[in-house]
Amino acid sequence: LAKTTQPISMDSYEGQEVNITCSHNNIATNDYITWYQQFPSQGPRFIIQGYKTKVTNEVASLFIPADRKSSTLSLPRVSLSDTAVYYCLVGGLNTGGFKTIFGAGTRLFVKA
Amino acid sequence: DADVTQTPRNRITKTGKRIMLECSQTKGHDRMYWYRQDPGLGLRLIYYSFDVKDINKGEISDGYSVSRQAQAKFSLSLESAIPNQTALYFCATSDPGTPPGELFFGEGSRLTVL
Repeated sequence: LAKTTQPISMDSYEGQEVNITCSHNNIATNDYITWYQQFPSQGPRFIIQGYKTKVTNEVASLFIPADRKSSTLSLPRVSLSDTAVYYCLVGGLNTGGFKTIFGAGTRLFVKA
Repeated sequence: DADVTQTPRNRITKTGKRIMLECSQTKGHDRMYWYRQDPGLGLRLIYYSFDVKDINKGEISDGYSVSRQAQAKFSLSLESAIPNQTALYFCATSDPGTPPGELFFGEGSRLTVL
């Protein structure tokens, strides 16, 4: 099974770009990489998903190198409201069924 | 109203009691999931269902059972609760038309087993 490892916490200031890297050395061929954001007392909320190379949407970018053993979530110009826990997820439908491996989460604290 | 609704939101029970957590969704998704979240461990998959007649064990199914009563309803049962099942439980849904992993979560059900 793939194991996902991410930093426990990060600090940043408003307006800065934040990059959070997740390591997933044993990622399977059919696995996708997905990032979620979670606020206290809420369920995780989808941010972005990718398979390889770079994906960008209106809130973030996801960089995945060719070997897919890591991924980096990039949040441009963070604000105080981006203070949350960010989870990396590796998962998909492979032989043996559907599996999802969440990282333990990175607690991002954005300061004014 | 929330697209994925979980009841109860909080529950305190005693060891040995039977507990059911319910999930209903209005997203029209075929796929539903139950996850458990513990501090410092991320979320772990308990059971998943890709349609009404499909039930599959996840990573940590021991001590749990599920029932898919309809496309919109997926319940999780603890037949005899034990203290190490104290956790935050999340129901999630997904659309088979999107890549797997794009999950829509409920607000969570916090269970405490004394």
